[in-house]
Amino acid sequence: GENVEQHPSTLSVQEGDSAVIKCTYSDSASNYFPWYKQELGKRPQLIIDIRSNVGEKKDQRIAVTLNKTAKHFSLHITETQPEDSAVYFCAASNYGQNFVFGPGTRLSVLP
Amino acid sequence: DTAVSQTPKYLVTQMGNDKSIKCEQNLGHDTMYWYKQDSKKFLKIMFSYNNKELIINETVPNRFSPKSPDKAHLNLHINSLELGDSAVYFCASSQAGVAYEQYFGPGTRLTVT
Repeated sequence: GENVEQHPSTLSVQEGDSAVIKCTYSDSASNYFPWYKQELGKRPQLIIDIRSNVGEKKDQRIAVTLNKTAKHFSLHITETQPEDSAVYFCAASNYGQNFVFGPGTRLSVLP
Repeated sequence: DTAVSQTPKYLVTQMGNDKSIKCEQNLGHDTMYWYKQDSKKFLKIMFSYNNKELIINETVPNRFSPKSPDKAHLNLHINSLELGDSAVYFCASSQAGVAYEQYFGPGTRLTVT
């Protein structure tokens, strides 16, 4: 079955700097890769996603890149703000049916 | 106008009891899930239902039994609760094969004493 790894497990950046979180997946049949943000005590919220027919997607300060050959995908957050502090999860899915999550990255943005 | 809702939000109970968590989605999705999030924040899928049929059943004790009365509802019943069942349980839904996006309910924090 699918296995998703995520690095780093914790990340601290200064406000205004960029943050990058990387994930790898094992199943080449996976074709949908969402990223979720989970604030303390809240539900995971979808922040951006990418499908396997696209190499990059951007939405304001966040972007996701996908390398299908290497089975890597990454989340990039630019101009980080304190409200970006949260746990971020990547996931891999085949056609939106089975979602396998990475272990999460705790991002702290220091003022 | 809540998309995915769960009840109750908090559940405190004693070992050996039986409890249920209810989930409803009004997004018109055909696939619903139960996840367990432990104290280390790992999100692990437990069950997945597509059009009321079980399609994913991970290695979960058979004390956990999901029930989907219709496409909009997926309930989780837990028998003989154990201390290790303490966790946050999230329900989620998606539209498989079309939109793919998965949306989560607010979670149910289960504490077994």
